[in-house]
Amino acid sequence: EIVMTQSPLSLPVTPGEPASISCRSSQSLLHSHGYNYLNWYLQKPGQSPQLLIYLGSFRASGVPDRFSGSGSGTDFTLKISRVEAEDLGVYYCMQTLQSITFGPGTKLDIK
Amino acid sequence: QVQLQESGPGLVKPSETLTLRCSVSGGSMRSYHWGWIRQPPGKGLEWIAYIYYNGGGTKKNPSLKSRVFISVDTSKNLFSLDLTSVTAADSAIYYCARGVTPMADDLYYFDLWGQGTLVTVPS
Repeated sequence: EIVMTQSPLSLPVTPGEPASISCRSSQSLLHSHGYNYLNWYLQKPGQSPQLLIYLGSFRASGVPDRFSGSGSGTDFTLKISRVEAEDLGVYYCMQTLQSITFGPGTKLDIK
Repeated sequence: QVQLQESGPGLVKPSETLTLRCSVSGGSMRSYHWGWIRQPPGKGLEWIAYIYYNGGGTKKNPSLKSRVFISVDTSKNLFSLDLTSVTAADSAIYYCARGVTPMADDLYYFDLWGQGTLVTVPS
């Protein structure tokens, strides 16, 4: 099983400031056709998860451009250029290369 | 736009079978995978299984594989999950989701999720 880890697990952020979340996998998520099978989700309080970034770096439809994803292989990063109050919630990374596993989640709250 | 809605019993007795259904409205099920993910209250996400729209390309979480059955009925625009021999550890919010896929035996990501349905198994 591919194990996913995230850091930090808790992230207090001041609105307007940047934020960064790291996700690491126990095996490379780079598929032979060149895509990284790594996706990012945000679960806002009381809601179901919503897709932010797919295949490592592609922003999902309707996602603000302050969100960006980067990385390859085993190390990935989600960046928010300027945090807004509506960004609070739990961020999960998810790999789909081998079965499907999620990271433990990073709780972002507003200072 | 496409919407997913879970339905289920809410409360299931230990050792019984949990049956959940996900209704898909506003679009076709064709060319997508359809999956289930669960989340114990206050905890993280756990993938359960997914199935291709034509019934092929089925994959299950190895830790749940022996207790999971997933099926799809495109004529009714729904797919279903059966989880047998439930225990209190199966208490969770169960989400259904649409999987974007390049082919039947591969899945990129889940792009649409239902609102979730809470299932409780008393201890």
